[in-house]
Amino acid sequence: DTAVSQTPKYLVTQMGNDKSIKCEQNLGHDTMYWYKQDSKKFLKIMFSYNNKELIINETVPNRFSPKSPDKAHLNLHINSLELGDSAVYFCASSQANRGQLFFGSGTQLSVL
Amino acid sequence: GIQVEQSPPDLILQEGANSTLRCNFSDSVNNLQWFHQNPWGQLINLFYIPSGTKQNGRLSATTVATERYSLLYISSSQTTDSGVYFCAVPMDSSYKLIFGSGTRLLVRP
Repeated sequence: DTAVSQTPKYLVTQMGNDKSIKCEQNLGHDTMYWYKQDSKKFLKIMFSYNNKELIINETVPNRFSPKSPDKAHLNLHINSLELGDSAVYFCASSQANRGQLFFGSGTQLSVL
Repeated sequence: GIQVEQSPPDLILQEGANSTLRCNFSDSVNNLQWFHQNPWGQLINLFYIPSGTKQNGRLSATTVATERYSLLYISSSQTTDSGVYFCAVPMDSSYKLIFGSGTRLLVRP
């Protein structure tokens, strides 16, 4: 049983398209996150939800919109994709703000 | 905001060697975590270690919170230890973990 699973693993798309990445965790955690890893491996938080409430919203373009239908799921929708959006996007979960962080396997997004 | 610095940035070892990775942080923290990103891109949580020492097989970690640093020890390194090691601390006791830039480790057979 995968603890944090995200799909798809690879996403190749054209500029201007809209795409979604889905994430699910079966750890019973109350907090979920989206992180972005750039080509230099730098990891930066984008969003966080605690019990379906948005608690972290970093300086991310409005084209990125997270949605949490319940505390086990957190999806990321990206509108009007741009070349600069190419990166690896990781979903993660933890129990509140003091718990260990567990990552999904990542989604490598390539915008052509 | 809090700054996180890791050293060395790159490390090459011969299989069987030991190594120490360091993580310095600029403010007091209530949480510090170490992660390993393997060559396939998976991020694995190694330790949750706000203070003290923990061991897990050939890996151990020590955090000295009062002096604002943490060390990750890898003993008898194996090729499967290759990858990038990150430490991360929360900003202002919040949900927001700030990651260091990582130590890239290559273990040669």
